[in-house]
Amino acid sequence: DIQMTQSPSSLSASVGDRVTITCQASQDISNYLNWYQQKPGKAPKLLIYDASNLETGVPSRFSGSGSGTDFTFTISSLQPEDIATYYCQQYDNLPPWTFGQGTKVEIK
Amino acid sequence: QVQLVESGGGLVKPGGSLRLSCAASGFTFSDYYMSWIRQAPGKGLEWVSYISSSGSTIYYADSVKGRFTISRDNAKNSLYLQMNSLRAEDTAVYYCARVGGYGAFDYWGQGTLVTVSS
Repeated sequence: DIQMTQSPSSLSASVGDRVTITCQASQDISNYLNWYQQKPGKAPKLLIYDASNLETGVPSRFSGSGSGTDFTFTISSLQPEDIATYYCQQYDNLPPWTFGQGTKVEIK
Repeated sequence: QVQLVESGGGLVKPGGSLRLSCAASGFTFSDYYMSWIRQAPGKGLEWVSYISSSGSTIYYADSVKGRFTISRDNAKNSLYLQMNSLRAEDTAVYYCARVGGYGAFDYWGQGTLVTVSS
């Protein structure tokens, strides 16, 4: 099975800061990588698909990049409403599809 | 608008069974693959199972293989998860999710809590 290593597990940043989260796959997954946001008590929401494509309606301050085994998720200017846990997820070939461990983003 | 509404969660004893349902609306259910994903209290997300649009292709996580059965009724726009031989480690919020054209889970239900405890 493909393992996803996400880091950091948590971070604290100020409003307006640039925030970066990384996700590393245990083998080449091309660009089959998605990013989700989960606010407390809510279901996850898809933000980025295929590593770098912004889902419709998602603010442009969110972006993703990478291919192969190394991927990056960025919030260009952190806003108070971005407080959440973010997960990467790979869907290379057949299941099982795996998620990263999550990154909890807090306001400093 | 797309809506997914899960039901059927609750408290069950170890070894017991439970059947979850997911009612879909706002899209052509029979065109989409669907999945179940769970989240143990305070933990991350775990993919559980997947079913193709026709129901002909099914996959399970190793952790539930042989105990859980995914199914769907396209005439009723509904997805199901039959859970047997439940264990304490199956305690989680269970989400149904639509699988988008690019393999992402593009819509999620609100989740239903399953608690396995004596």
